[in-house]
Amino acid sequence: DAGVTQSPTHLIKTRGQQVTLRCSPKSGHDTVSWYQQALGQGPQFIFQYYEEEERQRGNFPDRFSGHQFPNYSSELNVNALLLGDSALYLCASSSRGRGEKLFFGSGTQLSVL
Amino acid sequence: DQQVKQNSPSLSVQEGRISILNCDYTNSMFDYFLWYKKYPAEGPTFLISISSIKDKNEDGRFTVFLNKSAKHLSLHIVPSQPGDSAVYFCAASDGTYKYIFGTGTRLKVLA
Repeated sequence: DAGVTQSPTHLIKTRGQQVTLRCSPKSGHDTVSWYQQALGQGPQFIFQYYEEEERQRGNFPDRFSGHQFPNYSSELNVNALLLGDSALYLCASSSRGRGEKLFFGSGTQLSVL
Repeated sequence: DQQVKQNSPSLSVQEGRISILNCDYTNSMFDYFLWYKKYPAEGPTFLISISSIKDKNEDGRFTVFLNKSAKHLSLHIVPSQPGDSAVYFCAASDGTYKYIFGTGTRLKVLA
Protein backbone atom coordinates (compact mmCIF):
# COMPACT_ATOMS: atom_id res chain seq x y z
CA ASP A 1 0.00 0.00 0.00
CA ALA A 2 1.76 3.14 -1.22
CA GLY A 3 1.75 6.04 1.14
CA VAL A 4 1.80 9.68 0.16
CA THR A 5 4.37 10.35 -2.53
CA GLN A 6 5.80 13.75 -3.42
CA SER A 7 8.06 14.90 -6.22
CA PRO A 8 10.62 16.22 -6.60
CA THR A 9 12.43 15.72 -3.30
CA HIS A 10 14.65 18.75 -3.76
CA LEU A 11 14.44 21.81 -5.96
CA ILE A 12 16.56 24.92 -6.42
CA LYS A 13 15.07 28.00 -8.05
CA THR A 14 15.93 31.67 -8.34
CA ARG A 15 13.83 34.64 -7.30
CA GLY A 16 10.98 35.44 -9.65
CA GLN A 17 10.73 31.94 -11.07
CA GLN A 18 7.73 29.66 -10.84
CA VAL A 19 7.64 26.15 -9.37
CA THR A 20 5.25 23.19 -9.44
CA LEU A 21 5.27 20.49 -6.78
CA ARG A 22 3.37 17.22 -7.09
CA CYS A 23 1.64 14.87 -4.69
CA SER A 24 -0.11 11.52 -4.91
CA PRO A 25 -2.29 10.70 -1.92
CA LYS A 26 -2.37 7.49 0.05
CA SER A 27 -4.56 4.80 -1.47
CA GLY A 28 -8.18 5.29 -0.44
CA HIS A 29 -7.78 8.98 0.38
CA ASP A 30 -9.59 11.67 -1.58
CA THR A 31 -8.41 14.85 0.15
CA VAL A 32 -5.05 16.59 -0.17
CA SER A 33 -3.68 19.36 2.04
CA TRP A 34 -0.49 21.32 1.52
CA TYR A 35 1.68 22.66 4.33
CA GLN A 36 4.80 24.82 4.36
CA GLN A 37 7.42 24.15 7.01
CA ALA A 38 10.08 26.81 7.42
CA LEU A 39 13.27 26.00 9.29
CA GLY A 40 12.65 25.67 13.02
CA GLN A 41 8.89 26.06 12.65
CA GLY A 42 5.91 23.76 12.57
CA PRO A 43 4.02 23.06 9.35
CA GLN A 44 1.70 25.89 8.27
CA PHE A 45 -1.51 25.18 6.38
CA ILE A 46 -1.57 26.48 2.80
CA PHE A 47 -4.80 24.98 1.45
CA GLN A 48 -6.83 21.82 1.09
CA TYR A 49 -8.33 20.26 -2.03
CA TYR A 50 -11.35 18.00 -2.18
CA GLU A 51 -13.41 17.04 -5.23
CA GLU A 52 -11.01 19.04 -7.39
CA GLU A 53 -11.80 22.29 -5.59
CA GLU A 54 -10.01 24.36 -2.98
CA ARG A 55 -12.03 23.73 0.16
CA GLN A 56 -10.13 25.86 2.65
CA ARG A 57 -7.18 28.22 2.46
CA GLY A 58 -4.68 29.41 5.00
CA ASN A 59 -2.99 32.78 5.24
CA PHE A 60 -0.93 32.58 2.05
CA PRO A 61 -0.89 35.02 -0.89
CA ASP A 62 -2.44 34.32 -4.26
CA ARG A 63 1.02 33.45 -5.61
CA PHE A 64 0.30 30.06 -4.07
CA SER A 65 -2.22 28.09 -6.08
CA GLY A 66 -3.12 24.48 -6.51
CA HIS A 67 -5.01 21.90 -8.42
CA GLN A 68 -6.48 18.49 -7.77
CA PHE A 69 -6.98 15.96 -10.54
CA PRO A 70 -9.75 13.37 -10.91
CA ASN A 71 -7.40 10.66 -9.57
CA TYR A 72 -7.05 12.79 -6.37
CA SER A 73 -3.42 13.70 -7.02
CA SER A 74 -2.53 17.35 -6.57
CA GLU A 75 -0.13 20.09 -7.58
CA LEU A 76 1.07 23.13 -5.70
CA ASN A 77 2.19 26.08 -7.83
CA VAL A 78 4.12 29.05 -6.52
CA ASN A 79 4.65 32.06 -8.79
CA ALA A 80 7.12 34.92 -8.51
CA LEU A 81 9.27 33.09 -5.98
CA LEU A 82 10.72 35.03 -3.05
CA LEU A 83 13.68 34.12 -0.89
CA GLY A 84 11.21 33.61 1.97
CA ASP A 85 9.49 30.82 0.06
CA SER A 86 12.46 28.58 0.82
CA ALA A 87 10.99 25.80 2.96
CA LEU A 88 9.95 22.18 3.13
CA TYR A 89 6.60 21.73 1.38
CA LEU A 90 4.57 18.88 2.77
CA CYS A 91 1.60 17.19 1.20
CA ALA A 92 -0.86 15.37 3.46
CA SER A 93 -3.73 13.15 2.47
CA SER A 94 -6.83 12.21 4.41
CA SER A 95 -10.39 11.12 4.00
CA ARG A 96 -13.08 13.66 3.36
CA GLY A 97 -14.35 14.45 6.83
CA ARG A 98 -13.33 16.95 9.45
CA GLY A 99 -11.08 15.72 12.21
CA GLU A 100 -9.44 13.11 10.03
CA LYS A 101 -5.82 12.44 10.78
CA LEU A 102 -3.32 13.47 8.14
CA PHE A 103 -0.81 11.20 6.45
CA PHE A 104 2.22 13.14 5.23
CA GLY A 105 4.64 12.61 2.41
CA SER A 106 8.38 13.17 2.85
CA GLY A 107 8.13 16.64 1.39
CA THR A 108 9.84 18.74 -1.26
CA GLN A 109 12.72 20.90 -0.05
CA LEU A 110 12.59 24.14 -2.04
CA SER A 111 15.54 26.51 -2.01
CA VAL A 112 15.11 29.94 -3.59
CA LEU A 113 18.39 31.74 -4.38
CA ASP B 1 -0.27 34.87 16.96
CA GLN B 2 0.85 31.38 17.94
CA GLN B 3 -2.32 29.47 18.81
CA VAL B 4 -0.47 26.23 19.55
CA LYS B 5 2.69 26.46 21.61
CA GLN B 6 5.36 23.98 22.48
CA ASN B 7 7.48 25.95 24.90
CA SER B 8 10.27 23.42 25.29
CA PRO B 9 12.39 23.34 22.14
CA SER B 10 14.31 20.32 23.36
CA LEU B 11 14.22 17.53 25.93
CA SER B 12 16.72 14.84 26.90
CA VAL B 13 15.66 11.66 28.70
CA GLN B 14 17.44 8.48 29.72
CA GLU B 15 16.44 5.28 27.96
CA GLY B 16 13.72 3.45 29.89
CA ARG B 17 12.46 6.57 31.65
CA ILE B 18 9.32 8.56 30.90
CA SER B 19 9.32 11.35 28.31
CA ILE B 20 6.72 14.08 28.77
CA LEU B 21 6.15 16.52 25.95
CA ASN B 22 3.87 19.48 26.53
CA CYS B 23 1.63 21.58 24.34
CA ASP B 24 -0.51 24.63 25.16
CA TYR B 25 -3.21 26.21 23.06
CA THR B 26 -5.19 29.41 23.18
CA ASN B 27 -8.25 28.75 21.00
CA SER B 28 -11.12 27.22 22.99
CA MET B 29 -12.72 26.11 19.70
CA PHE B 30 -10.04 23.46 19.16
CA ASP B 31 -11.74 20.09 19.47
CA TYR B 32 -9.34 17.55 18.04
CA PHE B 33 -5.64 17.16 18.67
CA LEU B 34 -2.91 15.12 17.03
CA TRP B 35 0.69 14.29 17.87
CA TYR B 36 3.25 13.68 15.15
CA LYS B 37 6.85 12.50 15.18
CA LYS B 38 9.34 13.68 12.57
CA TYR B 39 12.72 12.26 11.68
CA PRO B 40 15.16 14.26 9.51
CA ALA B 41 14.44 14.04 5.77
CA GLU B 42 11.08 12.39 6.40
CA GLY B 43 7.53 13.68 6.64
CA PRO B 44 5.73 13.78 10.00
CA THR B 45 4.36 10.42 11.14
CA PHE B 46 1.06 10.23 13.03
CA LEU B 47 1.40 8.98 16.62
CA ILE B 48 -1.83 9.46 18.52
CA SER B 49 -4.91 11.66 18.63
CA ILE B 50 -7.46 12.83 21.17
CA SER B 51 -10.88 14.36 20.87
CA SER B 52 -12.02 17.11 23.22
CA ILE B 53 -14.70 14.80 24.62
CA LYS B 54 -11.96 12.69 26.20
CA ASP B 55 -9.21 13.52 28.67
CA LYS B 56 -6.94 10.58 27.95
CA ASN B 57 -6.06 8.27 25.08
CA GLU B 58 -3.55 5.42 25.11
CA ASP B 59 -1.80 3.50 22.36
CA GLY B 60 0.95 1.20 23.50
CA ARG B 61 3.81 3.22 24.97
CA PHE B 62 2.11 6.51 24.05
CA THR B 63 -0.52 8.28 26.14
CA VAL B 64 -1.98 11.70 25.49
CA PHE B 65 -3.65 13.70 28.25
CA LEU B 66 -5.95 16.66 27.60
CA ASN B 67 -6.80 19.30 30.20
CA LYS B 68 -9.41 21.50 28.54
CA SER B 69 -9.73 23.95 31.39
CA ALA B 70 -5.99 24.64 31.26
CA LYS B 71 -5.89 24.40 27.46
CA HIS B 72 -3.00 21.98 27.82
CA LEU B 73 -2.14 18.60 26.46
CA SER B 74 0.79 16.33 27.04
CA LEU B 75 2.28 13.26 25.40
CA HIS B 76 3.81 10.62 27.65
CA ILE B 77 6.16 8.00 26.25
CA VAL B 78 6.90 5.09 28.58
CA PRO B 79 9.43 3.57 28.45
CA SER B 80 11.46 5.86 26.21
CA GLN B 81 13.67 4.19 23.62
CA PRO B 82 16.58 5.57 21.55
CA GLY B 83 14.45 5.18 18.41
CA ASP B 84 12.02 7.72 19.88
CA SER B 85 14.62 10.45 19.32
CA ALA B 86 12.91 12.83 16.88
CA VAL B 87 11.04 16.13 16.72
CA TYR B 88 7.50 15.93 18.10
CA PHE B 89 4.71 18.24 16.95
CA CYS B 90 1.29 18.73 18.42
CA ALA B 91 -1.48 19.94 16.13
CA ALA B 92 -5.01 21.18 16.74
CA SER B 93 -8.14 21.51 14.67
CA ASP B 94 -11.14 23.79 15.33
CA GLY B 95 -13.45 21.57 13.33
CA THR B 96 -12.49 23.08 10.01
CA TYR B 97 -10.22 21.30 7.60
CA LYS B 98 -6.90 22.79 8.71
CA TYR B 99 -4.58 21.82 11.51
CA ILE B 100 -2.46 24.33 13.40
CA PHE B 101 0.90 22.96 14.46
CA GLY B 102 3.20 23.90 17.27
CA THR B 103 6.88 24.62 16.65
CA GLY B 104 7.98 21.20 17.85
CA THR B 105 10.06 19.71 20.66
CA ARG B 106 13.25 17.81 19.86
CA LEU B 107 13.43 14.69 22.03
CA LYS B 108 16.73 12.96 22.58
CA VAL B 109 16.67 9.60 24.33
CA LEU B 110 20.06 8.74 25.77
CA ALA B 111 21.19 5.12 25.79
